[in-house]
Formats: sequence, structure tokens, C-alpha cells
Amino acid sequence: GQQLNQSPQSMFIQEGEDVSMNCTSSSIFNTWLWYKQDPGEGPVLLIALYKAGELTSNGRLTAQFGITRKDSFLNISASIPSDVGIYFCAGDYSNYQLIWGAGTKLIIKP
Amino acid sequence: GAVVSQHPSRVICKSGTSVKIECRSLDFQATTMFWYRQFPKQSLMLMATSNEGSKATYEQGVEKDKFLINHASLTLSTLTVTSAHPEDSSFYICSVLAGGLDTQYFGPGTRLTVL
Repeated sequence: GQQLNQSPQSMFIQEGEDVSMNCTSSSIFNTWLWYKQDPGEGPVLLIALYKAGELTSNGRLTAQFGITRKDSFLNISASIPSDVGIYFCAGDYSNYQLIWGAGTKLIIKP
Repeated sequence: GAVVSQHPSRVICKSGTSVKIECRSLDFQATTMFWYRQFPKQSLMLMATSNEGSKATYEQGVEKDKFLINHASLTLSTLTVTSAHPEDSSFYICSVLAGGLDTQYFGPGTRLTVL
């Protein structure tokens, strides 16, 4: 079946550093979405991408929909403590049903 | 404020009992809701699509007789885990589709622990 490969699995960074994570798939998706999940809560949408090649920003976050429609990346610039959490990519495969990546856990070193 | 609520937030039950989890859309009417489960340190897995007034559509490998879904109104969907067993312990999350994919709002989740 379809799967999303998300990397890295976890990241340890210093406050102020930039962060980059990505997702790849063997299948084509029409939509890529990036979510953040805090412990014990549901995911919150960060960025939605609808067109191949699309580059979208949301504050310090930037995400791109790959030209091949099989990949996407998320960048976070100048990380701050509240950025900690787990980031998930998700792709829409049918009727708003999503396939999810395994998540990237972001940890900021004090 | 919250768009989607879930109740209870945590539940502990004995093996063999049934547990009902409610998902409510607070700000709008939702014809479509989704139910996910998430194991520790893992991703969300779609269990079923809940459609108001009709039968839910279950993903492959999800037992419809074990995970009963009732979407009786435009603001409420319920998931009942029947005859729960320890392996059903998980974080159950619902989401509400308000329009397009960028308007899929997730509930805060329900932590189920089956002893």
C-alpha cells in the first residue's frame, strides 16, 4: 500500500537553529499537508500544499510540494522553544482520506 | 477556541467491557468525520470515515463489529470499542471535515487504557 517515508525521526537542535524535515512517497499525492502534534493532543495543521512545485510560508515555517508530487519538505527558521513537538506530513489519496508519515520529533536543547 | 471536542479525554476500563468515545463538532455542522488511532510514538492510522445518516466506511483491517461508529447528527459521532482488550489501548482521535483538506480539524484525542 501507499506509505510516506518521513525523516529524520528525531532532531536535537539549539534554539535559533533552522530545521528541515521531509517526506517522500512511491506514490503521487494531490495534496500534501504538514501538522504539528503536542503531547496528548490532536494534530494542528501548519501548511497545506495543493500544487506541484508550490512553495508556501506560514510565519517561520516554509513548505514545498515537490515537482514529482512524491515528496515535500518543511523548514522551520530560527527555532524557538515552543516549536518542540512532533511534526507529521500527510498526503491525501482519496476523498480527503490521509496517509501519514511516521513523524519527526523536534527537541530543542537548552 | 476549540473546534472539535472529545469525551472522555482519558478512560481506563477492564478487559471485556465496552467503551464509548464522543466526538463533537462545536462550531459547524459536519457531514463527515474521521476516526484515527495512534499508538505510542507512532503515526495516526485512519480507522474509518463517519458519514452523517449513513454507515461508516472502514479501512482495511479494521473490524466494524468491534469498532462501532454512529454519526447520528451533524455535530456528533461516537466510536464504541466493544469487548475491549489490552491491545485496543491507544490514543483515539477524531477529526471533522468543515470543507477542504485545510479545514480538517482534529479533536484533542481520547486515551484508552484497557487493563
